[in-house]
Amino acid sequence: GEDVEQSLFLSVREGDSSVINCTYTDSSSTYLYWYKQEPGAGLQLLTYIFSNMDMKQDQRLTVLLNKKDKHLSLRIADTQTGDSAIYFCAESIDSSASKIIFGSGTRLSIRP
Amino acid sequence: GAVVSQHPSWVICKSGTSVKIECRSLDFQATTMFWYRQFPKQSLMLMATSNEGSKATYEQGVEKDKFLINHASLTLSTLTVTSAHPEDSSFYICSASGQAEQYFGPGTRLTVT
Repeated sequence: GEDVEQSLFLSVREGDSSVINCTYTDSSSTYLYWYKQEPGAGLQLLTYIFSNMDMKQDQRLTVLLNKKDKHLSLRIADTQTGDSAIYFCAESIDSSASKIIFGSGTRLSIRP
Repeated sequence: GAVVSQHPSWVICKSGTSVKIECRSLDFQATTMFWYRQFPKQSLMLMATSNEGSKATYEQGVEKDKFLINHASLTLSTLTVTSAHPEDSSFYICSASGQAEQYFGPGTRLTVT
């Protein structure tokens, strides 16, 4: 079945880059997403990438997709304290994005 | 981006009572809305898919008689937790399907005492 896996924790020093990794199992995924969730809040869509793309960059965020290995990563450049949150990787196997499968989330903490 | 609201943002109720949570798409029409549940420090689990004007489709293991979903208009879906029990305490998040992405509400924290 569909499965999305992430490491649970990541700690980085302020100003360094953060790289959050994700693997998924379904090769028919059409959209791959990164969501951010701050404590007690809903989900904020950070970025998404189509399965026919290898990379997408948006300001401090860079998404890399290795479709062969079913590996997705999110790089946050110049990590700030405001980036502390849980980051969810997610996939959609339906072209209309009607069903999204979420990973377990990676808790990013920032060290001064 | 599109805005989805939820009401209430948090609610405390007594065991055995029912609680209704509303999900509204404020600036677009959503034929499909989704209800998720998130337990502390866990991921979002899809509970059901709600289509305007038809019965909701529930995921395996979700009791449809306990979690009543109504999607009466293109901008409103409601989730009613009937005969709530402490184990129903959770963070409930809705989303509305736009073009190629889902827009998430801010969530409703339910505590059943």
